[in-house]
Amino acid sequence: EILLTQSPGTLSLSPGERATLSCRASQSVRSTNLAWYQQKPGQAPRLLIYGASTRATGIPDRFSGSGSGTDFTLTISRLEPEDFAVYFCQQYGSSPRTFGQGTNLEIK
Amino acid sequence: EVQLVESGGGLVQPGGSLRLSCAASGFTFSSYWMTWVRQTPGKGLEWVANIKEDGSAKSYVDSVKGRFTISRDNTKNSLYLQMDSLRAEDTAAYYCTRGSGWTDYWGQGTLVTVSS
Repeated sequence: EILLTQSPGTLSLSPGERATLSCRASQSVRSTNLAWYQQKPGQAPRLLIYGASTRATGIPDRFSGSGSGTDFTLTISRLEPEDFAVYFCQQYGSSPRTFGQGTNLEIK
Repeated sequence: EVQLVESGGGLVQPGGSLRLSCAASGFTFSSYWMTWVRQTPGKGLEWVANIKEDGSAKSYVDSVKGRFTISRDNTKNSLYLQMDSLRAEDTAAYYCTRGSGWTDYWGQGTLVTVSS
């Protein structure tokens, strides 16, 4: 089973700043099969990125994903108030699919 | 508009059973793999099981193998999760999701509580 470790656990930033979230895998993720999700309180997760770098339908271009192998990054270029939420990474290159523990992006 | 609506959650005693349902609409259900994902405050998100478009292939996380059964009825656009021999650690919000790898639509979730 591939273990995903996200860092930092909590990230405190202000609107307009740049956010960089990390997801590290315990072994190489096959074919960049990595996704990112956003979750707000009381809501289900929402898909942001798949294939490590492809934005899902309707996701603003301030969200970008990069990485391969064991190291992946989600970048939010300029934070909007609605971006403050919890972010999860997920690998789907091998079974079982696994998720990271999440990064809480909070308003500073 | 794609919609996934779960039902069937509730309070059950350890060792008991529940059947979760997911009603899908707004897309061609029979053309998609479907997946159940659960979430707890302590363990976070956990992939539980998925099923191929025609139901011919199914996969489970080890912790539920032999206890949970995923199924679907494409004539009713519905996904199911039969949960038997429930344990306290199965307590979670259960989400019905579309897809096998990444999952692009999620229901609102149904809460399962296993407690005496």
